Amino acid sequence: DAGITQSPRHKVTETGTPVTLRCHQTENHRYMYWYRQDPGHGLRLIHYSYGVKDTDKGEVSDGYSVSRSKTEDFLLTLESATSSQTSVYFCAIRNRDETGELFFGEGSRLTVL
Amino acid sequence: EDKVVQSPLSLVVHEGDTVTLNCSYEVTNFRSLLWYKQEKKAPTFLFMLTSSGIEKKSGRLSSILDKKELFSILNITATQTGDSAVYLCADNTNAGKSTFGDGTTLTVKP
Repeated sequence: DAGITQSPRHKVTETGTPVTLRCHQTENHRYMYWYRQDPGHGLRLIHYSYGVKDTDKGEVSDGYSVSRSKTEDFLLTLESATSSQTSVYFCAIRNRDETGELFFGEGSRLTVL
Repeated sequence: EDKVVQSPLSLVVHEGDTVTLNCSYEVTNFRSLLWYKQEKKAPTFLFMLTSSGIEKKSGRLSSILDKKELFSILNITATQTGDSAVYLCADNTNAGKSTFGDGTTLTVKP
């Protein structure tokens, strides 16, 4: 158990509203990630963090921002949600350093109407 | 841009069959290749491969990496219905990022 929790687990919102997803870890891991998963697309990296206040973009970062003000929390924000952002969002931490395997949270299902 | 391609995208077999899942990659700063299994929820880690030709094994599952030809295979022998899942492969790079393939959906029928 990598001690990762995501909240909320389910959310329905309307187009144009802001949404923040939270990822919380209890084991002081340096690397944290946000992925989205859609049918036929596997997991696609949105943003990742390699330390407090150190973040970088992934392959599908448009429309998303992140913040990491403390080691244990990594927040993903959709400033103005669109229907194309309906997806399942997974947070992950990397075991040990940049070479380790990923451990995933249970996912957050977001529906944008 | 890193690229990871899995084949086949889906596969239906019967219990007891042996299956081979494929993963090819084009990656800069390659460190390792990882396999994950995803049932109804989050992916869970299966194997990490860093060296060519060294087989990793766990029960009926095994995997091997070919760094010259840039691919990996995941074998499952004597399949069971509990092996039904999406199998994902992903690369690891020096930057700590992972690119995932689209996955192979395996269905094992009784």
